Amino acid sequence: DGGITQSPKYLFRKEGQNVTLSCEQNLNHDAMYWYRQDPGQGLRLIYYSQIVNDFQKGDIAEGYSVSREKKESFPLTVTSAQKNPTAFYLCASSFLGAISYNEQFFGPGTRLTVL
Amino acid sequence: GIQVEQSPPDLILQEGANSTLRCNFSDSVNNLQWFHQNPWGQLINLFYIPSGTKQNGRLSATTVATERYSLLYISSSQTTDSGVYFCAVERFINQGGKLIFGQGTELSVKP
Repeated sequence: DGGITQSPKYLFRKEGQNVTLSCEQNLNHDAMYWYRQDPGQGLRLIYYSQIVNDFQKGDIAEGYSVSREKKESFPLTVTSAQKNPTAFYLCASSFLGAISYNEQFFGPGTRLTVL
Repeated sequence: GIQVEQSPPDLILQEGANSTLRCNFSDSVNNLQWFHQNPWGQLINLFYIPSGTKQNGRLSATTVATERYSLLYISSSQTTDSGVYFCAVERFINQGGKLIFGQGTELSVKP
């Protein structure tokens, strides 16, 4: 079954703790992305990666870190420096073609709550 | 940066009714996607439509790139169509797929 998986589905964190959200894809996509969604809002880009061992900051990267050691995996760490981390986190992936056909597909998301 | 505006913000329909959702964007784009977010938060791809018209069952979409807008048509709406509909655009090819999302249209279809 091809697709994008995220784990865990729900995550609770105490203030001051770092947590890591998992994202895996078996679609052989080149690029992977992390978005954040706050209640009643659209999605905002945190980080993205076009190739293994390389990634770029999005619009709201402060307080987050990522790694891309394998093509299939793009974990996101929410650090204690993130001031308001409670949100819904969505991972996406896409091909990157010469014709810029890079339709993005999304995983089911992780709901993070800081207690 | 590019602005994406969706209208209306909320829409309530009776089952069987038709509707049109609009997405305006402030600059030229090379990618436009429509998504449906279901009540569990999953984003479902509806259309990849930087220009032209596409149809998929009861849904169709049209993007007029020169006038910087896209429309999503839902015909004979069903309760399962409820949720939030997002439009998202990408400005430049070399931005590696950076999508800018609108605020969404929340659709509620009543039986």
